[in-house]
Amino acid sequence: DTAVSQTPKYLVTQMGNDKSIKCEQNLGHDTMYWYKQDSKKFLKIMFSYNNKELIINETVPNRFSPKSPDKAHLNLHINSLELGDSAVYFCASSRDSSSYNEQFFGPGTRLTVL
Amino acid sequence: GENVEQHPSTLSVQEGDSAVIKCTYSDSASNYFPWYKQELGKRPQLIIDIRSNVGEKKDQRIAVTLNKTAKHFSLHITETQPEDSAVYFCGSGATNKLIFGTGTLLAVQP
Repeated sequence: DTAVSQTPKYLVTQMGNDKSIKCEQNLGHDTMYWYKQDSKKFLKIMFSYNNKELIINETVPNRFSPKSPDKAHLNLHINSLELGDSAVYFCASSRDSSSYNEQFFGPGTRLTVL
Repeated sequence: GENVEQHPSTLSVQEGDSAVIKCTYSDSASNYFPWYKQELGKRPQLIIDIRSNVGEKKDQRIAVTLNKTAKHFSLHITETQPEDSAVYFCGSGATNKLIFGTGTLLAVQP
């Protein structure tokens, strides 16, 4: 069984569109994350949720809005997509919000904005 | 703000040689230092970690050392193999925030 899953795996869209990426974990973890990995491979935290509550919100444009309907799901909605949003987006989860816990990553979603 | 510097950004070694990747952190409160490996096109995965009350930890061919005074920690891979080729990320964790380094692309030449 896949521990952390994301859909879609690939997403190609035009500038200005709105798109969503979904993430689900079946590990029973309390904490979930969204990371952005750009072309230089930098792995940057965007958001973190613990039990559906936002606990980390890095400097991310308002066009990005995470939503956690329950602690097993953390979706990412992006409005008015820009060229610079092209990247691989990774979802991750950990047992709780302590930084000591291993983070389990999803397979990534490669977003290409044309 | 807190940051983690990682060097080198790319590293090429011959199979069988050793590889060392170094990280420096700025947050004095950091006390957890994991290393993640990301193979090409795959997800990052934890390979080893160390806490601040330990100076060194080893797991088969990989080891991590920590110098808390200097705020340095390093990943050592001995007897490198082609399957070690990947991007490696160090991390620095304090309380409930983990910051990743900028990554090192390791290429092991057969």
